[in-house]
Formats: sequence, structure tokens, C-alpha cells
Amino acid sequence: GAGVSQSPSNKVTEKGKDVELRCDPISGHTALYWYRQSLGQGLEFLIYFQGNSAPDKSGLPSDRFSAERTGGSVSTLTIQRTQQEDSAVYLCASSFTLAGGGETQYFGPGTRLLVL
Amino acid sequence: AQSVAQPEDQVNVAEGNPLTVKCTYSVSGNPYLFWYVQYPNRGLQFLLKYITGDNLVKGSYGFEAEFNKSQTSFHLKKPSALVSDSALYFCAVSQYSNYQLIWGAGTKLIIKP
Repeated sequence: GAGVSQSPSNKVTEKGKDVELRCDPISGHTALYWYRQSLGQGLEFLIYFQGNSAPDKSGLPSDRFSAERTGGSVSTLTIQRTQQEDSAVYLCASSFTLAGGGETQYFGPGTRLLVL
Repeated sequence: AQSVAQPEDQVNVAEGNPLTVKCTYSVSGNPYLFWYVQYPNRGLQFLLKYITGDNLVKGSYGFEAEFNKSQTSFHLKKPSALVSDSALYFCAVSQYSNYQLIWGAGTKLIIKP
């Protein structure tokens, strides 16, 4: 079956512009996660959704970052007034549920964002 | 607080030799442990996980990992390395009722022909 998909695969933008990153999770997966990976670094957790709800937004780096999920499926991560330090790969993952803590997260290919 | 350590930034192995990528963790309570692999310009791919039961877990591409509770380790192993195993490997841990995975910094594995 189809895996997690993300679009666009690459995005180049100018400092100060807004960008939207999209994630389509695996069908039937109720949990969705956003991470950021800077060049050669580990993963920084940003936010997760259970259904359309995001109970914990504390991982978002600043109030320029926001995310939503609609219909329990597609999610959009929006970065307003982009800064050069926002340049990174943004990874989306989904899992069947959140229950138990041992759910496997399946990752999309990521969106590589470059802010000039 | 939960944490994961991957003590080696890079591991170099000759093709055909056994490989080990190290991971140690710190959690209160019973851990759930994961290994993921990332090929260049790709997302992360799930390799294997330990939830409970047998301490030796077998996963994709011939990889296995051994959960050692006394040493709080979950090292990734493969008996015979392939050049195609060259990639970035991440260890992660979570706990029951805690959705969030805590990630190690990653280990770059280089397999030389």
C-alpha cells in the first residue's frame, strides 16, 4: 500500500515569506507527527496529532510555526515569515495509534526547505 | 528524563565483516526501543523494535538488535556487512503511554569494499 507522502519534496523561499508543507499519512493511521532534521543532525520533534487534535504544541520552535490536520488525514505545517535558521528537512510520520507507546512510526521522504 | 546515546558518530567496517552500531538509553520504567535507517536524501525507514519478550530482535535487511536491560543497551548488529548498508542509523526510545520517541544523534555507517 501507499506510504506517507509529503509535498513539495523541495522548497526554496526567500526570507520573510510564508511556506506550507503537506503530509499525507498512511490510510487508517490516526496519529501523525512532524519532525525537523537539520543538516547531518538528529530529529527534533515538533508536534503530533491524534485525529485532528494536537494536544501538545510545545515542540514548535516559535509562534511562526503552526500545524493543522483535517479529516483525520492530511496535515499542513505552516511557517510564517521564514528565517534562514528554518532551513532544514521537515519529516512527517504516521502510526496506527498512539496507544501504548510502542507504535511504529512510518516516515515520509521529507520536504527539504531552503530559506535564502 | 529519557535520553538516548549513540556514542559513535561514525563506524567503518569492511564488507563481509560483522558490524555493530551502539545505542544506550535512559528511561524510567520499561523501554520501547527502535532502530531506523536513513539513506541519503531519503526519509527514515523502520528496521526493528523491541517491545517485550525475546531480547534478540530480528528486523529488515538481515539486521538484529539485542536488548540488554542491565547495561541499558540496544546495539544493532549484522553478521556480514554489505556496501549497501552504508547509511545513517538512528536509535530511539519511548515508554508506555508516552507517544514521543526520543532520538539518538545518529551514527554514520560506512561499509568499504
